[in-house]
Amino acid sequence: NAGVTQTPKFQVLKTGQSMTLQCAQDMNHEYMSWYRQDPGMGLRLIHYSVGAGITDQGEVPNGYNVSRSTTEDFPLRLLSAAPSQTSVYFCASSSQTLSTEAFFGQGTRLTVV
Amino acid sequence: AQSVTQLGSHVSVSEGALVLLRCNYSSSVPPYLFWYVQYPNQGLQLLLKYTSAATLVKGINGFEAEFKKSETSFHLTKPSAHMSDAAEYFCAVSDLSGNKLVFGAGTILRVKS
Repeated sequence: NAGVTQTPKFQVLKTGQSMTLQCAQDMNHEYMSWYRQDPGMGLRLIHYSVGAGITDQGEVPNGYNVSRSTTEDFPLRLLSAAPSQTSVYFCASSSQTLSTEAFFGQGTRLTVV
Repeated sequence: AQSVTQLGSHVSVSEGALVLLRCNYSSSVPPYLFWYVQYPNQGLQLLLKYTSAATLVKGINGFEAEFKKSETSFHLTKPSAHMSDAAEYFCAVSDLSGNKLVFGAGTILRVKS
């Protein structure tokens, strides 16, 4: 099994550009989530989904959109990139809720200039 | 809102010495507690989790953690550090819904030869 796959691994954007970070899992997990990791701040939850068609906001949702049309995919969209969105982004999935083990992707390192 | 405090952003130990990484949480009820490890340029991997079955939890790679409700702590220990333990370690707590994981800021463990 591939587990959780994130693409791209690295990306440089100019301020104001838009892009989509892709996340796919092949474990038939219902729960998926997006985090951003910044030095000294740990990981902060951006958005999460408890199943296809259901999404909700996390701790830092502003500037990001998500959708969940299938169980496998959970893309994260930046509509108008800002330098404050420079970060490492992680997608995670788990079988039901986060009381079970969360499986993380390898991360996407995004730089906004 | 729940929060997690990890004492010490950097911990340095000699190979073979005891590893102790500290984690305190704030929660009105016993939550689910986790320790995750992140090796350089990788995603997070679950070390161990507490879900109220036992206060002493054993994880992978010889790590264990003890849940102490009276101290609201969940410290991570390993009797003898190995060079391969060098990584960043995150303590995390989820609420009872299991829909949100709150991470601490992380502790970077350095192991000296």
